Amino acid sequence: EDKVVQSPLSLVVHEGDTVTLNCSYEVTNFRSLLWYKQEKKAPTFLFMLTSSGIEKKSGRLSSILDKKELFSILNITATQTGDSAVYLCAVENEDGGSQGNLIFGKGTKLSVKP
Amino acid sequence: DGGITQSPKYLFRKEGQNVTLSCEQNLNHDAMYWYRQDPGQGLRLIYYSQIVNDFQKGDIAEGYSVSREKKESFPLTVTSAQKNPTAFYLCASSGTSGSSIDTQYFGPGTRLTVL
Repeated sequence: EDKVVQSPLSLVVHEGDTVTLNCSYEVTNFRSLLWYKQEKKAPTFLFMLTSSGIEKKSGRLSSILDKKELFSILNITATQTGDSAVYLCAVENEDGGSQGNLIFGKGTKLSVKP
Repeated sequence: DGGITQSPKYLFRKEGQNVTLSCEQNLNHDAMYWYRQDPGQGLRLIYYSQIVNDFQKGDIAEGYSVSREKKESFPLTVTSAQKNPTAFYLCASSGTSGSSIDTQYFGPGTRLTVL
């Protein structure tokens, strides 16, 4: 059975800290791994990763995928209170033909204290 | 085991037919959500419900309808008015009314194909 496991489930840090969120997966017919930031309603898209070892960056956020070890990390440097959210990892498989299906992890709840 | 179930996994319908997607949760969550995911796009919110017998439109509610008669169930009907219904539909639930950040738990999804 396909599954996505995120760790830790929750994390409390202080502003300015650097955090690393983990996502491991067991998925047949892997296509891509996606990171989302969920605040109050719909999660917002952060990154899509398809190739191993290529870091994607957006401001203070970065992410990398290891397809051999089947995991990804999401780094946030110099955290701010606005980074407080649940970070969701999802893996897209190729089950379903040309359009993949998403399998979500349970999320990491990040709280950044002033 | 607590969780969210969606059925069926794959659904095929002819153009012009209404179709209802099932979403059930036994997590005792107050809030439930329906999303649509299309290739190359992020999740888009269709409808959400913070409490039984109440629901609100999301960003792309046109052509869809929902009901929330029971806490554990939040079915989504894709009507013939929806112009591009073929998509992957995800249901989620969370423990609070949504006023604070609470992790949303996602179901396995239903892939709807309209022929």
